[in-house]
Amino acid sequence: EDQVTQSPEALRLQEGESSSLNCSYTVSGLRGLFWYRQDPGKGPEFLFTLYSAGEEKEKERLKATLTKKESFLHITAPKPEDSATYLCAVWFSGGYNKLIFGAGTRLAVHP
Amino acid sequence: DARVTQTPRHKVTEMGQEVTMRCQPILGHNTVFWYRQTMMQGLELLAYFRNRAPLDDSGMPKDRFSAEMPDATLATLKIQPSEPRDSAVYFCASGSRQGGYEQYFGPGTRLTVT
Repeated sequence: EDQVTQSPEALRLQEGESSSLNCSYTVSGLRGLFWYRQDPGKGPEFLFTLYSAGEEKEKERLKATLTKKESFLHITAPKPEDSATYLCAVWFSGGYNKLIFGAGTRLAVHP
Repeated sequence: DARVTQTPRHKVTEMGQEVTMRCQPILGHNTVFWYRQTMMQGLELLAYFRNRAPLDDSGMPKDRFSAEMPDATLATLKIQPSEPRDSAVYFCASGSRQGGYEQYFGPGTRLTVT
């Protein structure tokens, strides 16, 4: 069964404490993996697209990596403003009807 | 500052009533998506359009939901009749490239059906 699983469900960090969020997937024919950030009461905000294993992308304190089975979102020296829910989504085997979002990781960064 | 707009932002209605949600995609984007988000199911893709043509609506309950794009600046999602289980936040997103490129989400319409 095609699945996208994010872990942990929730993560609490102290400001400056680096960590990683995981998005694992079991799909055939991966076309792309997306990371989004969602703040309460708002729509998801696009962060990264990764297309092939070994690819990495960075933006400020965030770095996304991709392997054949999972993706990591590394957060370096997080700040309280990084607190949000981080969603990953997988697009596979062509067509948007094959787009699955994970349940998300709720990140709280405390000063 | 280009962004996707959605109206209304909040809607409370009684079961059986018709609900229409509207979305204005980012100018120049040719692909529009409708999503539904609930605590239980997370974010689900309902339907999407490219160049105003519906490409897939397999995620949408077709007996009561319909989605249209009457012109390039307007997409609509209609529920008739509405049911309490339709209560959710409905997001519209737009994108400019085929197949899974970045999507830009609107602020959502929070629908409550009593």
